[in-house]
Amino acid sequence: DAGVIQSPRHEVTEMGQEVTLRCKPISGHNSLFWYRQTMMRGLELLIYFNNNVPIDDSGMPEDRFSAKMPNASFSTLKIQPSEPRDSAVYFCASSFERGLEAFFGQGTRLTVV
Amino acid sequence: EDKVVQSPLSLVVHEGDTVTLNCSYEVTNFRSLLWYKQEKKAPTFLFMLTSSGIEKKSGRLSSILDKKELFSILNITATQTGDSAVYLCAVDNNAGNMLTFGGGTRLMVKP
Repeated sequence: DAGVIQSPRHEVTEMGQEVTLRCKPISGHNSLFWYRQTMMRGLELLIYFNNNVPIDDSGMPEDRFSAKMPNASFSTLKIQPSEPRDSAVYFCASSFERGLEAFFGQGTRLTVV
Repeated sequence: EDKVVQSPLSLVVHEGDTVTLNCSYEVTNFRSLLWYKQEKKAPTFLFMLTSSGIEKKSGRLSSILDKKELFSILNITATQTGDSAVYLCAVDNNAGNMLTFGGGTRLMVKP
């Protein structure tokens, strides 16, 4: 298995633009997590899905952030409009329902200028 | 609110030294504690601990959990420059596959 796949690996965009980050979880995993990592705040959980359903989005910073999981093999995290303070590394991770070893993707480094 | 605190924040040692990283937690309905190593990009899994007092070992790394005192330690013996990374501790609060992460310990091992 190729592991959790995220794209793009790097994204540089101008303030106000829409940004879409993509994630393909490991086949067979039914839990998917989006995390944001910054030097100041460490690794923060934004939202997680179980069986494609958003279970807890309390970590989503504000309405500019939205996430979808239309099927078991794909999820997106969208920021619209983006702001410089959104600059961070965004990780996607997936796990089996009863196992908590979450496997992480390589992350997307987002820079908003 | 669940809380996971790691210490020290950063650590610089020389090759061959032994290090101990600490993780303390306050969570409701504790289920497990996990250690991850993060180098350039994604965190990679090291250990999952569910029972007190049982040491888990993998080569030069070992970890143990104390559920009474609510902490875990990660030991690395005979450190190598390749051990340089951020080590993350995370706790599962049994609330449906969610992990709460600590802020990490940044370890630098000098030759």
